[in-house]
Amino acid sequence: EAGVAQSPRYKIIEKRQSVAFWCNPISGHATLYWYQQILGQGPKLLIQFQNNGVVDDSQLPKDRFSAERLKGVDSTLKIQPAKLEDSAVYLCASSSGVKKVRSPLHFGNGTRLTVT
Amino acid sequence: SQQGEEDPQALSIQEGENATMNCSYKTSINNLQWYRQNSGRGLVHLILIRSNEREKHSGRLRVTLDTSKKSSSLLITASRAADTASYFCATANNTNAGKSTFGDGTTLTVKP
Repeated sequence: EAGVAQSPRYKIIEKRQSVAFWCNPISGHATLYWYQQILGQGPKLLIQFQNNGVVDDSQLPKDRFSAERLKGVDSTLKIQPAKLEDSAVYLCASSSGVKKVRSPLHFGNGTRLTVT
Repeated sequence: SQQGEEDPQALSIQEGENATMNCSYKTSINNLQWYRQNSGRGLVHLILIRSNEREKHSGRLRVTLDTSKKSSSLLITASRAADTASYFCATANNTNAGKSTFGDGTTLTVKP
C-alpha cells in the first residue's frame, strides 16, 4: 500500500509569513493526525481528525494554526502568522482505528519548517 | 505534557550486543506502542501491546509491560548498525484509544 504522503519536504519562511502543509493519508484510513516535532523532542499532537470531524484539537494554537480535512481524505495544516518557535518538523499520520479501536499510526516523512 | 518518558536518553552499544530501553508513564492506559525514527524520516511502528498483555515479541524485538509499575521496556537483541535510530514509546488512554502521546525518545547508536 502507498504510505502517507506529505509536501513540501522543506520550507523556509520569515516570521509573520504564512505557510501551508499538505497530507494525503493511506487510503481508507479514517483517522488523521498532525504532530509537531521540535528537534530533540518527541512528536506533540496538534490535531486529530476522524473522517472529516475534529476529535481533539486541545493543543492546537488556534490563534495562528488551522487545519481542515475536507471530504475526510486529504488534510491541510496552516500557520498564519508564523513565529520563530514554530520551527519544527510537522508530521502527518493516519490510522485505520477510530476513537475506541487500537491501531498503530502510519507516519509520513514530515515537512521541516524553518522560520527566520 | 508528555505521558511517556524514555530512559536512557541516549544509548551507545557495539554491534551484536543487546539494547534495552525503558518507558514510564503516569496514568492508566489502553495500549502502549513503540516506534522507531531514523534521522530525517517519519516514525515507524514497531509493536503495540495492550494493557492486558505482559509481553510481546516481533523478530529481534521483545516488549514487556508492567501496568502496576506503569512501565514498559523494549529489548533489541543482537543489534545491528541499521538499528541506529531514535526509539519512542507512545501511550493511548481509555477515553481516546486513537490518540497516542509520545515521550521524548531514546537515541540508540550501534557501532559496527
